[in-house]
Amino acid sequence: SQQGEEDPQALSIQEGENATMNCSYKTSINNLQWYRQNSGRGLVHLILIRSNEREKHSGRLRVTLDTSKKSSSLLITASRAADTASYFCATDLTLTENSGGSNYKLTFGKGTLLTVNP
Amino acid sequence: DGGITQSPKYLFRKEGQNVTLSCEQNLNHDAMYWYRQDPGQGLRLIYYSQIVNDFQKGDIAEGYSVSREKKESFPLTVTSAQKNPTAFYLCASSSRWGPQHFGDGTRLSIL
Repeated sequence: SQQGEEDPQALSIQEGENATMNCSYKTSINNLQWYRQNSGRGLVHLILIRSNEREKHSGRLRVTLDTSKKSSSLLITASRAADTASYFCATDLTLTENSGGSNYKLTFGKGTLLTVNP
Repeated sequence: DGGITQSPKYLFRKEGQNVTLSCEQNLNHDAMYWYRQDPGQGLRLIYYSQIVNDFQKGDIAEGYSVSREKKESFPLTVTSAQKNPTAFYLCASSSRWGPQHFGDGTRLSIL
């Protein structure tokens, strides 16, 4: 079953504008991750936000997390044509955990297709 | 450079045939994963492995099989029992606490 659901399904903006994508999920999480996928390629990890964090920045990316609403948002500022891609949120389920770390599996949403027009 | 290599990039399966998709990583990651992606959809987990010689079924394992004899390799076999195999298959790996790293996928089609 798909835990995360992105909104909107598709978004088209002009270069230089900001793009906001939302993700809602159903059950408690440890972390929430955002990934990017260019057409016909694999996914690339963008950012991870832990359940005890509310906001995180990485370059032009800003991610927020509201665990009370079970939602997250990804903001891309000053978008570029090269930002055109599908963006997925993923929530994790811990498989095993010890002092050395944890193994986990991810559940992905269906993604938001972002088109940035030059 | 470290990364994940999937091969082949395109694969065609005949009726009743088993085909094997290759996934190799040189990132020294313990965990490896196989996903299936259908057009306009998210990723669905087929199988995962947390350590060599151990693997677990994911959400859609029927019609697929895997092996994990070496840390670096996690091949996926699409068997003839998988009646709708046409999809984009993605392999990933991760270290403990880290994000997943993906290969560039194999696109499987039916002849």
